[in-house]
Amino acid sequence: RKEVEQDPGPFNVPEGATVAFNCTYSNSASQSFFWYRQDCRKEPKLLMSVYSSGNEDGRFTAQLNRASQYISLLIRDSKLSDSATYLCVVNVNRGSTLGRLYFGRGTQLTVWP
Amino acid sequence: EAGVTQSPTHLIKTRGQQATLRCSPISGHTSVYWYQQALGLGLQFLLWYDEGEERNRGNFPPRFSGRQFPNYSSELNVNALELEDSALYLCASIYGYTFGSGTRLTVV
Repeated sequence: RKEVEQDPGPFNVPEGATVAFNCTYSNSASQSFFWYRQDCRKEPKLLMSVYSSGNEDGRFTAQLNRASQYISLLIRDSKLSDSATYLCVVNVNRGSTLGRLYFGRGTQLTVWP
Repeated sequence: EAGVTQSPTHLIKTRGQQATLRCSPISGHTSVYWYQQALGLGLQFLLWYDEGEERNRGNFPPRFSGRQFPNYSSELNVNALELEDSALYLCASIYGYTFGSGTRLTVV
């Protein structure tokens, strides 16, 4: 079983729409959680960290449910520039997993005018 | 502040050859993390170097190796290249929070 599972999409939404991505992780000892954004043929860039209390950054809201081992990302009022692949990332940072991040395969989003 | 820099941007090799990829972390940072992103797959952890030492290694064969220099820059070496080694190789600083733009390795 993969450490991090994501719906690959693609999600195709019109400008202004609200879209939600989900992600599950398998290791209950996971400690840190992130969403990254990756544009085509570019490096991933940290979008936001995810906290148990939920956190918001402008149009982006991230949620973590430790009991269900589930992470979500909500994008409101989608912009054309939001088109990218969104990566769910988890860190366990214990023993043999020290120093490594586990990446999902990503969910592709296309926002159309 | 300069970010993570990688070279070369693109590299084309033939099967069986060796490839050397380079990375310089953010100035003052002692750790370098290497990841492989093959087409259609998620990023896979390769290696972590800190203070000149290999701290952890992902599930890759021994022909993937590297080193870190006293100035904290790093090299990733891939020996006996196979077609499936074709991928984007990414180097990260600050525990993976900041990536370089990557080296796209193509093995033909």
